Amino acid sequence: GAGVSQSPSNKVTEKGKDVELRCDPISGHTALYWYRQSLGQGLEFLIYFQGNSAPDKSGLPSDRFSAERTGGSVSTLTIQRTQQEDSAVYLCASSLDLQGGKEAFFGQGTRLTVV
Amino acid sequence: QKEVEQNSGPLSVPEGAIASLNCTYSDRGSQSFFWYRQYSGKSPELIMFIYSNGDKEDGRFTAQLNKASQYVSLLIRDSQPSDSATYLCAAGSGNTGKLIFGQGTTLQVKP
Repeated sequence: GAGVSQSPSNKVTEKGKDVELRCDPISGHTALYWYRQSLGQGLEFLIYFQGNSAPDKSGLPSDRFSAERTGGSVSTLTIQRTQQEDSAVYLCASSLDLQGGKEAFFGQGTRLTVV
Repeated sequence: QKEVEQNSGPLSVPEGAIASLNCTYSDRGSQSFFWYRQYSGKSPELIMFIYSNGDKEDGRFTAQLNKASQYVSLLIRDSQPSDSATYLCAAGSGNTGKLIFGQGTTLQVKP
């Protein structure tokens, strides 16, 4: 696709429910990043993928968070048993690779509200 | 110590002036550096990247990198009210590929 696509753009969920956020990177980009941005705050690193593997999962806030990437393309971020503190904008970015063209481009984000 | 640090601001400059935004980083393994602009309610937009020591110019923007001092800056010449936004500095680790962001500096350009 022309840019990074994220869905849904907005999600309201009840506390305790599971949610799944989707990211479709720019075609041909092998590196993919997930960040979280709370209101008025900076970007909190969650996880990144090179191809289908995630070398660094240290940013995931708890074991309720998981992410996967299949076929070196689409990635899903799953939050189980959502809590109110999970409310934030979840941003996905992709770049050509980790070594060479490292410029990362962001999608429009998914605004998650846990009520 | 945060991995990438920026002054949160706000930095206020008059229209037409030069805005200077600064960033320091702690990981000496960082090889690539980026400046993103983020308007309120929008996602970050890449405006500059720099990989080598020295200056890199693109239109009204100049990025400066000093790896010895672990310092990155962004100069915006002839600042316009439309430049008012939060500017995020990011550093990419050469070893891990991890891309870490600073908290951002809010720039206000007053007409």
